[in-house]
Amino acid sequence: NAGVTQTPKFQVLKTGQSMTLQCAQDMNHNSMYWYRQDPGMGLRLIYYSASEGTTDKGEVPNGYNVSRLNKREFSLRLESAAPSQTSVYFCASSAPGQPQHFGDGTRLSIL
Amino acid sequence: AQSVAQPEDQVNVAEGNPLTVKCTYSVSGNPYLFWYVQYPNRGLQFLLKYITGDNLVKGSYGFEAEFNKSQTSFHLKKPSALVSDSALYFCAVRDRGISYNTDKLIFGTGTRLQVFP
Repeated sequence: NAGVTQTPKFQVLKTGQSMTLQCAQDMNHNSMYWYRQDPGMGLRLIYYSASEGTTDKGEVPNGYNVSRLNKREFSLRLESAAPSQTSVYFCASSAPGQPQHFGDGTRLSIL
Repeated sequence: AQSVAQPEDQVNVAEGNPLTVKCTYSVSGNPYLFWYVQYPNRGLQFLLKYITGDNLVKGSYGFEAEFNKSQTSFHLKKPSALVSDSALYFCAVRDRGISYNTDKLIFGTGTRLQVFP
Protein backbone atom coordinates (compact mmCIF):
# COMPACT_ATOMS: atom_id res chain seq x y z
CA ASN A 1 0.00 0.00 0.00
CA ALA A 2 2.73 2.47 -1.03
CA GLY A 3 0.57 5.31 -2.43
CA VAL A 4 2.87 8.07 -3.73
CA THR A 5 6.62 7.40 -3.53
CA GLN A 6 9.22 10.13 -3.95
CA THR A 7 12.96 9.69 -4.37
CA PRO A 8 15.34 10.85 -3.09
CA LYS A 9 14.20 12.00 0.36
CA PHE A 10 17.11 14.41 0.78
CA GLN A 11 19.56 15.99 -1.62
CA VAL A 12 22.23 18.68 -1.50
CA LEU A 13 23.33 20.28 -4.75
CA LYS A 14 25.76 22.96 -5.78
CA THR A 15 24.56 25.93 -7.80
CA GLY A 16 24.44 25.02 -11.47
CA GLN A 17 24.11 21.28 -10.99
CA SER A 18 21.17 19.40 -12.43
CA MET A 19 19.02 16.70 -10.95
CA THR A 20 15.76 14.86 -11.41
CA LEU A 21 13.23 14.22 -8.66
CA GLN A 22 11.29 11.03 -9.14
CA CYS A 23 7.66 10.34 -8.27
CA ALA A 24 5.59 7.21 -8.74
CA GLN A 25 2.03 6.34 -7.70
CA ASP A 26 0.37 2.95 -7.56
CA MET A 27 -3.27 4.09 -7.34
CA ASN A 28 -3.94 4.25 -11.09
CA HIS A 29 -4.59 7.98 -10.86
CA ASN A 30 -4.83 10.04 -14.02
CA SER A 31 -3.61 13.34 -12.56
CA MET A 32 -0.24 14.08 -10.97
CA TYR A 33 1.23 17.27 -9.52
CA TRP A 34 4.49 18.80 -8.34
CA TYR A 35 4.47 21.40 -5.56
CA ARG A 36 7.10 23.24 -3.62
CA GLN A 37 6.65 24.19 0.04
CA ASP A 38 8.41 27.19 1.48
CA PRO A 39 7.96 28.67 4.98
CA GLY A 40 5.05 31.10 5.15
CA MET A 41 4.02 30.46 1.55
CA GLY A 42 2.09 27.23 1.72
CA LEU A 43 2.28 24.91 -1.26
CA ARG A 44 2.70 26.32 -4.73
CA LEU A 45 2.03 24.32 -7.87
CA ILE A 46 5.01 23.96 -10.19
CA TYR A 47 3.63 21.68 -12.92
CA TYR A 48 0.82 19.23 -13.25
CA SER A 49 -0.27 16.46 -15.58
CA ALA A 50 -4.00 15.93 -16.01
CA SER A 51 -3.45 12.66 -17.83
CA GLU A 52 -0.73 10.54 -19.35
CA GLY A 53 0.90 12.42 -22.20
CA THR A 54 -0.06 15.93 -21.06
CA THR A 55 1.71 18.45 -18.84
CA ASP A 56 0.89 22.05 -17.96
CA LYS A 57 2.53 24.88 -16.06
CA GLY A 58 1.39 25.80 -12.61
CA GLU A 59 2.03 28.93 -10.58
CA VAL A 60 5.85 28.74 -10.38
CA PRO A 61 7.24 26.77 -13.38
CA ASN A 62 10.37 28.79 -14.13
CA GLY A 63 13.58 26.79 -13.76
CA TYR A 64 11.81 23.43 -13.88
CA ASN A 65 10.82 20.83 -16.45
CA VAL A 66 8.65 17.76 -16.08
CA SER A 67 8.10 14.44 -17.80
CA ARG A 68 5.04 12.23 -17.48
CA LEU A 69 6.85 9.04 -18.32
CA ASN A 70 3.75 6.84 -18.09
CA LYS A 71 0.60 6.77 -15.99
CA ARG A 72 2.55 5.89 -12.84
CA GLU A 73 5.54 8.19 -13.03
CA PHE A 74 5.97 11.97 -13.10
CA SER A 75 9.46 13.43 -12.77
CA LEU A 76 10.64 16.96 -12.04
CA ARG A 77 13.96 18.19 -13.40
CA LEU A 78 16.11 21.12 -12.34
CA GLU A 79 18.45 21.83 -15.25
CA SER A 80 20.66 24.38 -13.50
CA ALA A 81 19.93 24.57 -9.79
CA ALA A 82 19.80 27.94 -8.05
CA PRO A 83 19.76 28.71 -4.31
CA SER A 84 16.19 30.05 -4.72
CA GLN A 85 15.13 26.50 -5.53
CA THR A 86 16.04 25.31 -2.04
CA SER A 87 12.72 23.94 -0.83
CA VAL A 88 10.71 20.87 0.03
CA TYR A 89 9.17 19.33 -3.06
CA PHE A 90 5.97 17.30 -2.94
CA CYS A 91 4.43 15.09 -5.56
CA ALA A 92 0.72 14.29 -5.47
CA SER A 93 -1.79 12.32 -7.51
CA SER A 94 -5.56 12.19 -7.77
CA ALA A 95 -8.49 10.57 -9.48
CA PRO A 96 -11.10 12.88 -11.06
CA GLY A 97 -13.02 14.81 -8.41
CA GLN A 98 -11.17 13.12 -5.56
CA PRO A 99 -8.70 14.49 -2.97
CA GLN A 100 -5.04 14.54 -3.83
CA HIS A 101 -2.69 12.01 -2.24
CA PHE A 102 0.77 13.26 -1.34
CA GLY A 103 4.21 11.71 -1.08
CA ASP A 104 6.47 12.45 1.89
CA GLY A 105 8.57 14.98 0.01
CA THR A 106 12.12 15.60 -1.17
CA ARG A 107 14.15 18.07 0.89
CA LEU A 108 16.46 19.87 -1.50
CA SER A 109 19.24 22.25 -0.50
CA ILE A 110 21.20 24.18 -3.08
CA LEU A 111 24.45 25.76 -1.98
CA ALA B 1 -8.55 35.25 -9.17
CA GLN B 2 -9.30 32.44 -6.80
CA SER B 3 -7.62 32.43 -3.44
CA VAL B 4 -7.63 31.03 0.06
CA ALA B 5 -6.60 32.84 3.22
CA GLN B 6 -5.62 31.45 6.60
CA PRO B 7 -5.39 34.52 8.81
CA GLU B 8 -3.62 32.85 11.75
CA ASP B 9 -0.05 31.59 11.52
CA GLN B 10 -0.44 29.73 14.79
CA VAL B 11 -3.27 28.63 17.06
CA ASN B 12 -2.62 27.54 20.62
CA VAL B 13 -5.17 25.55 22.61
CA ALA B 14 -5.19 23.49 25.76
CA GLU B 15 -5.85 19.77 25.52
CA GLY B 16 -9.55 19.03 25.97
CA ASN B 17 -10.66 22.46 24.80
CA PRO B 18 -12.43 23.06 21.48
CA LEU B 19 -10.30 24.28 18.60
CA THR B 20 -10.98 26.34 15.50
CA VAL B 21 -8.65 26.93 12.58
CA LYS B 22 -9.91 29.65 10.27
CA CYS B 23 -10.09 29.73 6.48
CA THR B 24 -11.73 32.16 4.08
CA TYR B 25 -11.94 31.82 0.33
CA SER B 26 -12.57 33.80 -2.82
CA VAL B 27 -13.78 31.91 -5.88
CA SER B 28 -16.06 32.36 -8.84
CA GLY B 29 -18.93 29.92 -8.76
CA ASN B 30 -19.45 27.20 -6.20
CA PRO B 31 -16.33 26.31 -4.22
CA TYR B 32 -14.83 22.89 -3.70
CA LEU B 33 -13.00 23.20 -0.36
CA PHE B 34 -10.54 20.93 1.40
CA TRP B 35 -8.61 20.64 4.65
CA TYR B 36 -5.29 18.83 4.86
CA VAL B 37 -2.97 18.13 7.80
CA GLN B 38 0.81 17.83 7.71
CA TYR B 39 2.84 16.16 10.44
CA PRO B 40 6.60 16.80 10.70
CA ASN B 41 8.63 15.42 7.81
CA ARG B 42 5.53 14.00 6.14
CA GLY B 43 3.35 14.84 3.18
CA LEU B 44 -0.12 16.32 3.43
CA GLN B 45 -2.96 14.07 4.52
CA PHE B 46 -6.56 14.67 3.49
CA LEU B 47 -8.95 15.48 6.37
CA LEU B 48 -12.24 16.47 4.77
CA LYS B 49 -13.90 18.22 1.85
CA TYR B 50 -16.97 20.26 1.01
CA ILE B 51 -18.49 20.08 -2.45
CA THR B 52 -22.19 20.47 -1.90
CA GLY B 53 -24.91 19.59 0.59
CA ASP B 54 -24.81 19.88 4.37
CA ASN B 55 -22.81 22.88 5.57
CA LEU B 56 -21.25 20.85 8.40
CA VAL B 57 -18.76 18.36 7.02
CA LYS B 58 -17.30 15.59 9.17
CA GLY B 59 -13.85 14.20 8.49
CA SER B 60 -11.02 12.11 9.86
CA TYR B 61 -9.75 12.08 13.48
CA GLY B 62 -12.89 13.79 14.85
CA PHE B 63 -12.45 16.97 12.82
CA GLU B 64 -15.30 18.80 11.17
CA ALA B 65 -15.63 21.97 9.14
CA GLU B 66 -18.43 24.46 8.71
CA PHE B 67 -19.09 25.96 5.29
CA ASN B 68 -20.57 29.47 5.44
CA LYS B 69 -21.40 30.90 2.04
CA SER B 70 -22.36 34.37 3.24
CA GLN B 71 -19.06 34.78 5.11
CA THR B 72 -17.06 32.84 2.47
CA SER B 73 -15.53 30.78 5.25
CA PHE B 74 -14.69 27.14 5.85
CA HIS B 75 -13.38 26.90 9.42
CA LEU B 76 -11.95 23.65 10.77
CA LYS B 77 -13.19 22.59 14.20
CA LYS B 78 -12.83 19.90 16.78
CA PRO B 79 -14.82 19.72 20.02
CA SER B 80 -11.95 18.44 22.19
CA ALA B 81 -8.31 18.90 21.16
CA LEU B 82 -5.62 16.28 21.67
CA VAL B 83 -1.87 16.85 21.99
CA SER B 84 -1.50 14.55 18.98
CA ASP B 85 -3.51 17.06 16.89
CA SER B 86 -0.49 19.38 16.94
CA ALA B 87 0.48 19.80 13.29
CA LEU B 88 0.34 22.16 10.32
CA TYR B 89 -3.10 22.56 8.76
CA PHE B 90 -3.82 23.70 5.22
CA CYS B 91 -7.04 24.90 3.68
CA ALA B 92 -7.36 24.55 -0.10
CA VAL B 93 -9.83 25.36 -2.86
CA ARG B 94 -10.14 23.66 -6.20
CA ASP B 95 -8.81 25.87 -8.98
CA ARG B 96 -11.37 25.82 -11.76
CA GLY B 97 -9.11 27.79 -14.08
CA ILE B 98 -9.95 28.13 -17.73
CA SER B 99 -10.84 24.49 -18.05
CA TYR B 100 -13.48 23.19 -15.69
CA ASN B 101 -11.96 19.72 -15.97
CA THR B 102 -9.09 20.23 -13.58
CA ASP B 103 -8.38 19.11 -10.02
CA LYS B 104 -5.67 21.65 -9.27
CA LEU B 105 -5.72 23.07 -5.77
CA ILE B 106 -4.85 26.49 -4.40
CA PHE B 107 -3.52 26.23 -0.87
CA GLY B 108 -3.53 28.68 2.00
CA THR B 109 -0.29 29.47 3.77
CA GLY B 110 -1.00 27.07 6.61
CA THR B 111 -1.79 27.36 10.31
CA ARG B 112 0.33 25.68 12.93
CA LEU B 113 -1.83 24.16 15.67
CA GLN B 114 -0.17 23.67 19.03
CA VAL B 115 -2.12 21.73 21.65
CA PHE B 116 -0.68 22.01 25.16
CA PRO B 117 -1.14 19.29 27.81
